[in-house]
Amino acid sequence: GENVEQHPSTLSVQEGDSAVIKCTYSDSASNYFPWYKQELGKRPQLIIDIRSNVGEKKDQRIAVTLNKTAKHFSLHITETQPEDSAVYFCAASRDYKLSFGAGTTVTVRA
Amino acid sequence: DSGVTQTPKHLITATGQRVTLRCSPRSGDLSVYWYQQSLDQGLQFLIQYYNGEERAKGNILERFSAQQFPDLHSELNLSSLELGDSALYFCASSVVGGDTEAFFGQGTRLTVV
Repeated sequence: GENVEQHPSTLSVQEGDSAVIKCTYSDSASNYFPWYKQELGKRPQLIIDIRSNVGEKKDQRIAVTLNKTAKHFSLHITETQPEDSAVYFCAASRDYKLSFGAGTTVTVRA
Repeated sequence: DSGVTQTPKHLITATGQRVTLRCSPRSGDLSVYWYQQSLDQGLQFLIQYYNGEERAKGNILERFSAQQFPDLHSELNLSSLELGDSALYFCASSVVGGDTEAFFGQGTRLTVV
């Protein structure tokens, strides 16, 4: 089955700096890569996603890149703000199964 | 509000007991996923149903079972509960399969004492 590894497990950044989270996947047939944000005590919510036929996607301060050859994808958050503090999960999907990474706890220091 | 409803929100039960968690997907969504999230842990995929049929299985224990009914709501049954089963159980739904956005419910917090 699909195995998704996520690094780092924790990330502390100064407000205004950038944050980068990296994930690798094992199944080369995976074709959909969403990123979810989970604030403390709340449900995970989709923040951005990318499909295997696209190399990069941006949405305001958030961007995701995908390298199919290397089987890795990354989340980039620029100009971080205190409200970006949360746990971020990457995921990879093939067919009907959506597998998540272990999560990255991001703390934005004021 | 994601449109996915999970009941109950909290559940406290004793070891050895059996419980049923319920999930109503968003209107129009055919897929339902179940995930287990232990304290400070990630989202462990348990099982997924599509239009009433099991389509994918993760590391789901034999003591756990699930089903999706004709009205598309789903139930996760946990039996012979152990202390280690204490966790937040999320249900998520999507329109079709795993390549469309999954919307999560607010979760059921299960505490086994």
